[in-house]
Amino acid sequence: DTAVSQTPKYLVTQMENDKSIKCEQNLGHDTMYWYKQDSKKFLKIMFSYNNKELIINETVPNRFSPKSPDKAHLNLHINSLELGDSAVYFCASSSVSGRVLPYEQYFGPGTRLTVT
Amino acid sequence: AQSVAQPEDQVNVAEGNPLTVKCTYSVSGNPYLFWYVQYPNRGLQFLLKYITGDNLVKGSYGFEAEFNKSQTSFHLKKPSALVSDSALYFCAVRDIAGGSYIPTFGRGTSLIVHP
Repeated sequence: DTAVSQTPKYLVTQMENDKSIKCEQNLGHDTMYWYKQDSKKFLKIMFSYNNKELIINETVPNRFSPKSPDKAHLNLHINSLELGDSAVYFCASSSVSGRVLPYEQYFGPGTRLTVT
Repeated sequence: AQSVAQPEDQVNVAEGNPLTVKCTYSVSGNPYLFWYVQYPNRGLQFLLKYITGDNLVKGSYGFEAEFNKSQTSFHLKKPSALVSDSALYFCAVRDIAGGSYIPTFGRGTSLIVHP
């Protein structure tokens, strides 16, 4: 059973296109995240979202927007793609509330985005 | 504010030897600390965490880490390295007093275990 899944695994597209990456978790977690991993493997938090609040990393361009149809899904929409958007994007989830305090994050397999 | 440092970009060790991957942190209050591993072309996998209690934490695949409050460190260790341990390792910290549930990740340390 896949805990955190992402589609597509690979995405090749041209500049200025609009694309979406989907993420689903079946762990019952209340919080989901999007990270960007660059070519040097550095992880950058882009968004976190639970049913109470959306936290946006202020350095993320507003061409990026998260969309959450329900607690189990957090999709990433990217407008007007640029060359610098090429990276691996990871979705993750965790539980941040309640009486049990796991707090660790569970990551999806990643989506490798290549903008040409 | 919370921050974490992994001072080594790469660690090389021979198979069968003990390994250590270093991590130091900075928080205002008390920390939650985590280690994750990333194999090539895969997502990060949780290895272990320190929340409270015993300073020596045991995790997956025979890894352990020791929380040292005075040195603000949380080094990852394994008594006997395997070639299959070769991967990218990330340390992460969350400040309990910080008000945010989002952890800060280190830049990662590439562990290479030689046969």
